[in-house]
Amino acid sequence: DIQMTQSPSSLSASVGDRVTITCRASQGISNYLAWFQQIPGKAPKSLIYAASSLQSGVPSKFSGSASGTEFTLTISDLQPEDFATYYCEQYRSYPFTFGGGTKVQIK
Amino acid sequence: EVQLVESGGGLVQPGGSLRLSCAASGFTFSDHYMQWVRQAPGKGLEWVGRSRNKANSYTTEYAASVKGRFTISRDDSKNSVYLQMNSLKTEDTAVYYCARGDYSGGVWYPSGPWGQGALVTVSS
Repeated sequence: DIQMTQSPSSLSASVGDRVTITCRASQGISNYLAWFQQIPGKAPKSLIYAASSLQSGVPSKFSGSASGTEFTLTISDLQPEDFATYYCEQYRSYPFTFGGGTKVQIK
Repeated sequence: EVQLVESGGGLVQPGGSLRLSCAASGFTFSDHYMQWVRQAPGKGLEWVGRSRNKANSYTTEYAASVKGRFTISRDDSKNSVYLQMNSLKTEDTAVYYCARGDYSGGVWYPSGPWGQGALVTVSS
């Protein structure tokens, strides 16, 4: 199975900050990488697919990038509604696997 | 509006069975692959399995943790996908989400949306 190592597991930031979350795949997955946002008590919501393509309706403050087996989600100008847990998922091969999540908290 | 609504969750004893349903609306269900993802209380997301569409023979894939115990099926005439769960274990306790995928440039990806989730509790 492909392991997805996500870091950090949590971070504290202030409104207006820019934050970066990283996922590292244990082997090559090309760009078959998605990012999701989960607000407590809610279902996950798709943000990014194919490593850097923005899902329809998602604001451009969210961006994704890739370098080899390392993938990054950047959130600019953090707003109160952005404080949530973020997950990456590889869908290159079965079983699809998720990173452990990054909880973004208010400082 | 694209919408997915799960039902069928509840309390079941270890070794028991349960079937979850996911009703879809707002899109051409028969065109899409559908998948199930679960989340144990206070934990992260775990992929359960996926069903392809009719054009791809409704073939399915499963996580090792559920293979042989869980079965994904679908009824395109009812715009629904199902998760039959047998031989349930306490570690299967989780919120179960169904989710849609899409295609971009001929490549499938997990686009969502996701349903609201159905809680399955396996306990004696």
